[in-house]
Amino acid sequence: NIVLTQSPATLSVTPGESVSLSCRASQSISTSIHWYQQKSNESPRLLIKYASQSISGIPSRFSGSGSGTDFTLSINRVESEDFSIYYCQQSYSSLYTFGAGTKLELK
Amino acid sequence: EVQLVESGGGLVQPGRSLKLSCAASGFTFSNYGMAWVRQAPTKGLEWVATISYDGSSTYYRDSVKGRFTISRDNAKSTLYLQMDSLRSEDTATYYCARHHGYTYFDYWGQGVMVTVSS
Repeated sequence: NIVLTQSPATLSVTPGESVSLSCRASQSISTSIHWYQQKSNESPRLLIKYASQSISGIPSRFSGSGSGTDFTLSINRVESEDFSIYYCQQSYSSLYTFGAGTKLELK
Repeated sequence: EVQLVESGGGLVQPGRSLKLSCAASGFTFSNYGMAWVRQAPTKGLEWVATISYDGSSTYYRDSVKGRFTISRDNAKSTLYLQMDSLRSEDTATYYCARHHGYTYFDYWGQGVMVTVSS
């Protein structure tokens, strides 16, 4: 199975800061990585597909980058509504896996 | 508007069975692969199973293979998950999701809770 390691586990920030969340794959997966946001007691929401492709309706402050084994989700100028958990997911293998998540919390 | 509405969850004893349903609307159900993804209390997301658009192919994570069966009724736009021989570690919120091109999950239901306990 492809293991996705997300770091840090928790990131404490103040609104207005810009942040980068990391997702590292246990083997090269090209750009077959997708990012989700899950707010407390809500269903996950797709943010970014294929490492860097934007999703309709998602604010432009969210962006993704990377290929191979190292991927980054960036949030430009965090807003209060962004405090939630972020997951990466790979589709390179049909044994689909998610990372353990990064919790973005208010400092 | 795409909507996915799960039902059928509840409390069940270990070793017993439960069947989840997911009613889909707002898109052509028969054109898309569908999946179940679960989340144990306070834990992360875990893919469970995927079914192809026509039901001819199914995929499962190892821990549920032989116990869970994913199926669909395209005439009713409904996805199912038959769960047999349930274990305490199957306790989770189960989400129905549209599995776009068998890659990313672009729409999710609200989730249904399954608790396996004596």
